[in-house]
Amino acid sequence: DQQVKQNSPSLSVQEGRISILNCDYTNSMFDYFLWYKKYPAEGPTFLISISSIKDKNEDGRFTVFLNKSAKHLSLHIVPSQPGDSAVYFCAGLMRGNEKLTFGTGTRLTIIP
Amino acid sequence: EPEVTQTPSHQVTQMGQEVILRCVPISNHLYFYWYRQILGQKVEFLVSFYNNEISEKSEIFDDQFSVERPDGSNFTLKIRSTKLEDSAMYFCASTEYTEAFFGQGTRLTVV
Repeated sequence: DQQVKQNSPSLSVQEGRISILNCDYTNSMFDYFLWYKKYPAEGPTFLISISSIKDKNEDGRFTVFLNKSAKHLSLHIVPSQPGDSAVYFCAGLMRGNEKLTFGTGTRLTIIP
Repeated sequence: EPEVTQTPSHQVTQMGQEVILRCVPISNHLYFYWYRQILGQKVEFLVSFYNNEISEKSEIFDDQFSVERPDGSNFTLKIRSTKLEDSAMYFCASTEYTEAFFGQGTRLTVV
């Protein structure tokens, strides 16, 4: 049962442009959604989160949007930089069991 | 900046052998986790640990797996009798509230 889905396995974006990574979920019980960035042979690095009661959270170049009615969230990175090339995972978190349920990831490649 | 540390970075073991993966979570964090990622697949939850006991475990975390926090700082994952399909990156994580911080991972190779 894939509770969190990232339907695009890969995305290429020109440097300086906006990168938009998408995520869909089926579990309405998630209290938070988080985005993680992962380089090969390293652990996931936390980027940004959003509470399920919010619809937007911004931190520098990163903005996460949540559309609860559509059960969809997206991560916007602007402007995109070469160092942003990595695999991005979205994850849902339920208070109470405190575990992260990850999506399958999207590999973002920033083209110089 | 505080970080989660894991040792070893790479472990090769023969099928059927026991392995212990070690982690030092961030000291003031309350929840500790093990996740794993099989090559090319998504990061999967194994177990969460709170207040010195398992709070939740996945169906992957069967009787061959166990966790311990033996001394208040280390957090270990033991696999009693490894199988080929246990080969994966194993990540330890800890959290104080919402965002979990992950270690660099241990690559376990079962041969």
